[in-house]
Amino acid sequence: QVQLQQSGAELAKPGSSVKISCKASGYTFTSYYISWIKQTTGQGLEYIGYINTGSGGTNYNEKFKGKATLTVDKSSSTAFMQLSSLTPDDSAVYYCARGLRYYYVMDAWGQGASVTVSS
Amino acid sequence: DIQMTQSPSSLPASLGERVTISCRASQGISNNLNWYQQKPDGTIKPLIYYTSNLQSGVPSRFSGSGSGTDYSLTISSLEPEDFAMYYCQQDASFPPTFGGGTKLELK
Repeated sequence: QVQLQQSGAELAKPGSSVKISCKASGYTFTSYYISWIKQTTGQGLEYIGYINTGSGGTNYNEKFKGKATLTVDKSSSTAFMQLSSLTPDDSAVYYCARGLRYYYVMDAWGQGASVTVSS
Repeated sequence: DIQMTQSPSSLPASLGERVTISCRASQGISNNLNWYQQKPDGTIKPLIYYTSNLQSGVPSRFSGSGSGTDYSLTISSLEPEDFAMYYCQQDASFPPTFGGGTKLELK
């Protein structure tokens, strides 16, 4: 069955970076884009951007340009999101999700990865 | 960005009851509207895509409708597993945006 398995919770200091992984299984990895979504209590669900897993091309929500960097390792069917220059506002649960394109429904989601930024 | 406004934010309801959740877009989205369910453990799954199409495996008590800027999700007869958070999401333009969510609670 289709699965997106995300890496575990992260505790990071302000100013540092974290890299979250999303390992796909149960389907042809390069046939679907991987999107990343941020969830906080205050802002709800926010779309960060997507990566074309076949070409490596990316598109970011303007709000997250310079904050998030999306990459992919086709050999391991894994997508990554690096968050840089962390501040407490980056504390959230981050989800990966697959879709045929960004304008298709996201039909499978990872379990979420919690990131806490605290000194 | 297109703003999505969901109502109500909280919906107390009873088992077997029919409920409807509304979602309004700040501009027309041409039926490019999806619905998701989130359980308390954080698990998110799609329910409806392109306004009214049931995602595979989703029970037929779920249905969606709407056009233009106004959309809705209806659950015809609530089951215990339906008490969760519900979100609408538009993908008519980039970036996709989500409604603020509706918490369906047991009355």
